[in-house]
Amino acid sequence: EAQVTQNPRYLITVTGKKLTVTCSQNMNHEYMSWYRQDPGLGLRQIYYSMNVEVTDKGDVPEGYKVSRKEKRNFPLILESPSPNQTSLYFCASSFLDQPQHFGDGTRLSIL
Amino acid sequence: AQSVTQPDIHITVSEGASLELRCNYSYGATPYLFWYVQSPGQGLQLLLKYFSGDTLVQGIKGFEAEFKRSQSSFNLRKPSVHWSDAAEYFCAVGRMDSNYQLIWGAGTKLIIKP
Repeated sequence: EAQVTQNPRYLITVTGKKLTVTCSQNMNHEYMSWYRQDPGLGLRQIYYSMNVEVTDKGDVPEGYKVSRKEKRNFPLILESPSPNQTSLYFCASSFLDQPQHFGDGTRLSIL
Repeated sequence: AQSVTQPDIHITVSEGASLELRCNYSYGATPYLFWYVQSPGQGLQLLLKYFSGDTLVQGIKGFEAEFKRSQSSFNLRKPSVHWSDAAEYFCAVGRMDSNYQLIWGAGTKLIIKP
């Protein structure tokens, strides 16, 4: 089954404790992206990648890192999380110029 | 700058009634246009897309949308809603410099009255 898998689905943690949210897709998509969703703001792009070893900043990249060492994986790293990064995070993937497929989301709470 | 506006934060309709969700965009050319739906606790699912051609687009779950260039709109419609349509709906537009990079509206929450 074609899917985008995010882990964990839920995480409560404390300020400053490094965390990684994993994202994996099994569709051989070139394009992958991370978004955060906050009430009233829709989805805002954090980082995206057009292929292996190619990543670029989106609209709200501050406080986040990503890597794309393999085509299927695109982890999101918060080196020193802060409360303003409490949000719902989505990973998405697609072939270029095709609609994006989304994971089920990761709800992060940073205390 | 490009933007997408969904003017209605919430919409309440009765089950069986018709539905129209509004989406307006700012863009200098014909964009790629999308509607996604997000059910509670779920990711976003593509309802339909417009890239070119016929301006009336059919999607899944009985939804359709019409691209109107003169009004810079891409409104989503359904003739008769079901309780299972209760969800949040997002309109998105491809960026001018990169069609697969999307700009998102803030979303419209659809509430269904029994």
